[in-house]
Amino acid sequence: QKEVEQDPGPLSVPEGAIVSLNCTYSNSAFQYFMWYRQYSRKGPELLMYTYSSGNKEDGRFTAQVDKSSKYISLFIRDSQPSDSATYLCAMSEDDKIIFGKGTRLHILP
Amino acid sequence: GAVVSQHPSWVICKSGTSVKIECRSLDFQATTMFWYRQFPKQSLMLMATSNEGSKATYEQGVEKDKFLINHASLTLSTLTVTSAHPEDSSFYICSAPDFSSRVYEQFFGPGTRLTVL
Repeated sequence: QKEVEQDPGPLSVPEGAIVSLNCTYSNSAFQYFMWYRQYSRKGPELLMYTYSSGNKEDGRFTAQVDKSSKYISLFIRDSQPSDSATYLCAMSEDDKIIFGKGTRLHILP
Repeated sequence: GAVVSQHPSWVICKSGTSVKIECRSLDFQATTMFWYRQFPKQSLMLMATSNEGSKATYEQGVEKDKFLINHASLTLSTLTVTSAHPEDSSFYICSAPDFSSRVYEQFFGPGTRLTVL
């Protein structure tokens, strides 16, 4: 079993819809949970991070962590065509980051 | 936020040649930098940790003699792919944590696409 599992998609939703992206993990020692956005042929950029169970909101983005279920989610409200990208979940223990495969998201105008 | 640059952004080379990729932190010092490799539709896989003033540490399965890493200064790390082969074609990305060194504040470079013919 891989440490981090993420459905690669692609996921296509109409503009304005709520997007839900998810990852599961197996290593209970992970301390930090992050979401990165990566545009084609670019490096990833950090969207959100958290280190505790619960919700964290930043504008249209909400990150959710459930450590008991080893499950994290990213919600995007009022999705825009500019949100079209690959979203990678990532987790860390110490100084190493383990990435999910990434979910390709297409927001249809 | 902090900026990390990579050079070149893309490179095409013949099989058997060596290719050097540079990673620079532009407005902060980085005693540690990380090198990742990303194959199409795959996740970023950590290859090695570059440490200024000491040897790099490699992840299991990564050949240290093939992927030479030199952390020449507090703002520059280089990755040299020696005797490159078509299977080394990939997207190579570096990252560096800023002065706070909290892992979630790593800044990623734009990546270098390597194609080996």
